[in-house]
Amino acid sequence: QVQLQESGPGLVKPSQTLSLTCTVSGDSISGAVDYWSWIRQPAGTGLEWIGRIHISGNTNYNPSLKSRVTMSVDTSKNQISLKLRSVTAADTAVYYCGRGTAPDVWGKGTTVIVSS
Amino acid sequence: QSVLTQPPSASGTPGQRVTISCSGSSVNIERNGVNWYQQLPGTAPELLMYSYDQRASGVPDRFSGSKSGTSASLAISGLQSGDEADYYCATWDDSLDGVVFGGGTKLTVL
Repeated sequence: QVQLQESGPGLVKPSQTLSLTCTVSGDSISGAVDYWSWIRQPAGTGLEWIGRIHISGNTNYNPSLKSRVTMSVDTSKNQISLKLRSVTAADTAVYYCGRGTAPDVWGKGTTVIVSS
Repeated sequence: QSVLTQPPSASGTPGQRVTISCSGSSVNIERNGVNWYQQLPGTAPELLMYSYDQRASGVPDRFSGSKSGTSASLAISGLQSGDEADYYCATWDDSLDGVVFGGGTKLTVL
């Protein structure tokens, strides 16, 4: 059974870069599913799709975040990564990784707070 | 404002049938499949339905999905207290070239 686990710092200072990793277990990241996604959810609000990455490295990003986002994939470690630059308090949220473009399997999420 | 429009709340009594709508446009719902997610309090979203009307593995047949033009709907019959959750629709948007989510509907079982 495939499982996804997000990890990374829970606190990031304003203007710095948020870096998260999603480790996939129980399935190869290069398996039948081609895309892996990141989604976030500020407290008490709805879901926001950040973007997706193909195992080839091709990406699609949310236009509202495109200028600050970079996703990467490491097939040797069965991991995908997210970097979000120049963060502000508005980037405080629970960050999820998911299998697929509109994911069928989600990680449990990791909370990131942007504060000095 | 979300590209996909959902009612912010819905409610019903145990045993009732409730429907949650998701309104979009010709560049998203009309031409691309819709997923529905259930998010129980304090947990990650879980896939309920995909491709408008296909139930995800393990989802009881009390849940059903449909599509009509630029809108999609999720119906829950035989409502149970355990169905209290937030429900989100999602689909690919050809104009934005990405996934869009509805704003979510909070379902209350009275």
